[in-house]
Amino acid sequence: TQLLEQSPQFLSIQEGENLTVYCNSSSVFSSLQWYRQEPGEGPVLLVTVVTGGEVKKLKRLTFQFGDARKDSSLHITAAQPGDTGLYLCAGAASGTYKYIFGTGTRLKVLA
Amino acid sequence: DAGVTQSPTHLIKTRGQQVTLRCSPKSGHDTVSWYQQALGQGPQFIFQYYEEEERQRGNFPDRFSGHQFPNYSSELNVNALLLGDSALYLCASSLGYRKGSGNTIYFGEGSWLTVV
Repeated sequence: TQLLEQSPQFLSIQEGENLTVYCNSSSVFSSLQWYRQEPGEGPVLLVTVVTGGEVKKLKRLTFQFGDARKDSSLHITAAQPGDTGLYLCAGAASGTYKYIFGTGTRLKVLA
Repeated sequence: DAGVTQSPTHLIKTRGQQVTLRCSPKSGHDTVSWYQQALGQGPQFIFQYYEEEERQRGNFPDRFSGHQFPNYSSELNVNALLLGDSALYLCASSLGYRKGSGNTIYFGEGSWLTVV
């Protein structure tokens, strides 16, 4: 069974701080996506990474795909209250057609 | 450019009843997947439809069934509802049916189902 574990599960930080969220698996993924989900809404896509070692930046968010394509990280610089939400990673395993979601990281940024 | 749309947004059903949820994919997309998200958890894959056929299925019982129509829209049916079926049901669409090739999936807002 392919699993994606995210850490930390919960994170509460002050505005302006930096943070990193990790997404780890023992399985290889051909692509990995990061989503942010707010209460009562569906997940909103942030980024898709495909190549091992790939780094993508989206304003204050930096996403990295591990060289072996088994893990990924999301780094947020100078967090703002608007970053509050549930962050989910989802991987498409090679040879399958379904995305497996991580356990999620619930982030709260305090003003 | 319409995104993924789902209906209804909220509904309440009684144990043992049946429910049908509907999804229209993002314009230009032909593949629809359904996910169940229980409170406080990440989405769990139910199944995926492409060319009106179920292509892959997650660990869900036969009470969960679906359908895809020629216009690529889809329905999720759940029979003999249990209290544990209460969740947010998410529809996601993508283009093409490729083996994890990085084709991005986009989610709708979801349908909240409460079983009492």
